[in-house]
Amino acid sequence: GQQVMQIPQYQHVQEGEDFTTYCNSSTTLSNIQWYKQRPGGHPVFLIQLVKSGEVKKQKRLTFQFGEAKKNSSLHITATQTTDVGTYFCAGGDYKLSFGAGTTVTVRA
Amino acid sequence: GAVVSQHPSWVICKSGTSVKIECRSLDFQATTMFWYRQFPKQSLMLMATSNEGSKATYEQGVEKDKFLINHASLTLSTLTVTSAHPEDSSFYICSGEGQGGSIRFTDTQYFGPGTRLTVL
Repeated sequence: GQQVMQIPQYQHVQEGEDFTTYCNSSTTLSNIQWYKQRPGGHPVFLIQLVKSGEVKKQKRLTFQFGEAKKNSSLHITATQTTDVGTYFCAGGDYKLSFGAGTTVTVRA
Repeated sequence: GAVVSQHPSWVICKSGTSVKIECRSLDFQATTMFWYRQFPKQSLMLMATSNEGSKATYEQGVEKDKFLINHASLTLSTLTVTSAHPEDSSFYICSGEGQGGSIRFTDTQYFGPGTRLTVL
């Protein structure tokens, strides 16, 4: 079945620095979605990418969908303490397959 | 954005009892609802998918007689954990996908706040 892999599993970032988390699928995806889960919270939808090579920005977050629609990335610039949480990518035509998530901690 | 509620938010029960968790879409029609469980520091694991008025489709390894799912209306799905045991302790999260109301993407899942189940 479809597998979605995410790296790194943990990301410890100095406040103000940038970082990127990567998502790779074993099969071509019709779309990819990104979610953020704060500690103790539930996943919250961030964005959906549909087109090959698509790039979308939300303030300091930049999401990219690969040309082959098998990989995606989330880049956060100037990390803030509010960015703490686990970021999941998920893909699939009907049932979402979630990546393992990248848990982000920030040191002030 | 679209709102999904879950009740209760947490529950503690004795081993052998049954627990019902409700999932409601408050401002849209959830034609499909999904039930996940999440263990600490792990990703979401899909348990089952339910369409309104139909029997749920369970993922491999999920016991349908233990995890009863009902999706009787476009705004309500329930998960009943029957004869709960300590190994069933987990964070159960539902999500809804559908149309109407505040839905922006019809193929996006909107998650409830989750229910933390602890079985003693």
